[in-house]
Amino acid sequence: DAGVIQSPRHEVTEMGQEVTLRCKPISGHNSLFWYRQTMMRGLELLIYFNNNVPIDDSGMPEDRFSAKMPNASFSTLKIQPSEPRDSAVYFCASSFGAANTEAFFGQGTRLTVV
Amino acid sequence: DQQVKQNSPSLSVQEGRISILNCDYTNSMFDYFLWYKKYPAEGPTFLISISSIKDKNEDGRFTVFLNKSAKHLSLHIVPSQPGDSAVYFCAAADTGGFKTIFGAGTRLFVKA
Repeated sequence: DAGVIQSPRHEVTEMGQEVTLRCKPISGHNSLFWYRQTMMRGLELLIYFNNNVPIDDSGMPEDRFSAKMPNASFSTLKIQPSEPRDSAVYFCASSFGAANTEAFFGQGTRLTVV
Repeated sequence: DQQVKQNSPSLSVQEGRISILNCDYTNSMFDYFLWYKKYPAEGPTFLISISSIKDKNEDGRFTVFLNKSAKHLSLHIVPSQPGDSAVYFCAAADTGGFKTIFGAGTRLFVKA
């Protein structure tokens, strides 16, 4: 398996534009997580899905952020409209089972909003 | 409200010596703890974990110690190697759910 695949690796966009980040989890995994890494806050959990259903989105910072998982092999994180403070590295991770199993992370998407 | 805290942003250690990375948590519902390692431009990778029913878990050069009463865990790397230079994230989970909370990370520098 190629692991968790995220695209794009880098995204530079102008303030106000819509940004969509994509993730393909490892086949067979039933949990998917979106994290954001910043210097100040480290790795923040934004949202997680179990069996394609959003379980907890309390980490999503604002209504400008939304996430979907239409099927077991694909998820998106959308920011609309984007703001400079959204600049960060966004990671997608997947695992099989609950929180007491290791999660496998993608390489991340570095988002820069200018 | 940070439920998992890594109070040292960075740590520098000489090659061959012991590296000790610390982590504190506040939520007594956490019963499973993990350490991840992250190199630049890569995602975090799992390193070692420990259940709350144990106080120590060892895997080669890596040992994690858990002190439940103090809500504290530590990762020991012995001996430290230059290739260990990375950011280390402590994470905690409530196995009743699916949520894993990460600390802010500690950057380890191992000098040759």
